[in-house]
Amino acid sequence: AQSVTQLGSHVSVSEGALVLLRCNYSSSVPPYLFWYVQYPNQGLQLLLKYTTGATLVKGINGFEAEFKKSETSFHLTKPSAHMSDAAEYFCAVSSNYQLIWGAGTKLIIKP
Amino acid sequence: DGGITQSPKYLFRKEGQNVTLSCEQNLNHDAMYWYRQDPGQGLRLIYYSQIVNDFQKGDIAEGYSVSREKKESFPLTVTSAQKNPTAFYLCASSIEERAGELFFGEGSRLTVL
Repeated sequence: AQSVTQLGSHVSVSEGALVLLRCNYSSSVPPYLFWYVQYPNQGLQLLLKYTTGATLVKGINGFEAEFKKSETSFHLTKPSAHMSDAAEYFCAVSSNYQLIWGAGTKLIIKP
Repeated sequence: DGGITQSPKYLFRKEGQNVTLSCEQNLNHDAMYWYRQDPGQGLRLIYYSQIVNDFQKGDIAEGYSVSREKKESFPLTVTSAQKNPTAFYLCASSIEERAGELFFGEGSRLTVL
């Protein structure tokens, strides 16, 4: 069965610092991988996705993620954090047209 | 503007009452989904529908019911059989060929008193 693990329920970084949110998955087939963002009391919004091809994927708001098959990882990064990045981030893997979700990581930005 | 509209945004009900959450989309998407979100647990799938007049149970369907009479609409009823209904409910839709790329509504927060 496929699964997704997000390391750290909360991650705190200073404004301007590197953001790194970790996601590891297990999958018996080549995965489709996704990152979503959720602002307080709102729905989720797709940040970026990996299906096939280039392993470094760029998304909205300056985020990017790299698919590393050997490490079964799909970590999300952003070079410089902004206060507006404070939100909860979810990693997901596609399985039989459904999504398997990680538990989410809350990103806290310190001024 | 195209999108998904959920209503109501906040809902309070007494124990033992059924409640229905509305979800409407004008994106012309075939697939629609209902998720439940609880703190620290991510999203759990309640029901999904890939076509009108057909729907399937997700991981936590017990105590919930849905209908899909129109492509645009996928209402969720939280019945009195649901043991712990207080939660944030999210509706989403997708183009079937691009499953995994979900468009979400803004959610409905249900509190049972």
